[in-house]
Amino acid sequence: GAGVSQSPRYKVAKRGQDVALRCDPISGHVSLFWYQQALGQGPEFLTYFQNEAQLDKSGLPSDRFFAERPEGSVSTLKIQRTQQEDSAVYLCASRRQGNTEAFFGQGTRLTVV
Amino acid sequence: QKEVEQDPGPLSVPEGAIVSLNCTYSNSAFQYFMWYRQYSRKGPELLMYTYSSGNKEDGRFTAQVDKSSKYISLFIRDSQPSDSATYLCAMSPSGGNQFYFGTGTSLTVIP
Repeated sequence: GAGVSQSPRYKVAKRGQDVALRCDPISGHVSLFWYQQALGQGPEFLTYFQNEAQLDKSGLPSDRFFAERPEGSVSTLKIQRTQQEDSAVYLCASRRQGNTEAFFGQGTRLTVV
Repeated sequence: QKEVEQDPGPLSVPEGAIVSLNCTYSNSAFQYFMWYRQYSRKGPELLMYTYSSGNKEDGRFTAQVDKSSKYISLFIRDSQPSDSATYLCAMSPSGGNQFYFGTGTSLTVIP
């Protein structure tokens, strides 16, 4: 595709609800990243995939957060039992192998009420 | 102390002014340096990408990296109202798999 596509753009969840956020990376991009951006802050790293392998998940804030990329393309970030502090914009980025320039999607704005 | 420090502003300048945006960092392993522009309610858009020290120019934008001082800059010449956005610096070590971002500087260019 032309760019990184994320869906939904906006999600309102009741506290305790599970949510799933989707990312379609740029076609052919091997690497995929998830970042969390709180209001007024820069993005913070959550996790990284190379193809289908999750090579780094050191940024996931708790075991309620889970990410997968089963076929090395589309990725899903799942948050179980959402809490108010999970409210943020979740950004997905992708890049070609061997190229450190990463391209971001529009993000999913999650609001937990 | 955060690994990347960036003055959040806000910064307000008249149209046509030269804008200087800066970040400092503490990790000497950082080798790749990027500037992203983020409009309200949009994702970050890559503006400039630099490897190691030196300058890089692209149109009205110039990126500078001074690794000895652990200091990077983005200059915008002849600023336009359409440049009004938040500017994020980001950096990563060689072979690194995550980018470390500053908090972003909010810029408004007044017509």
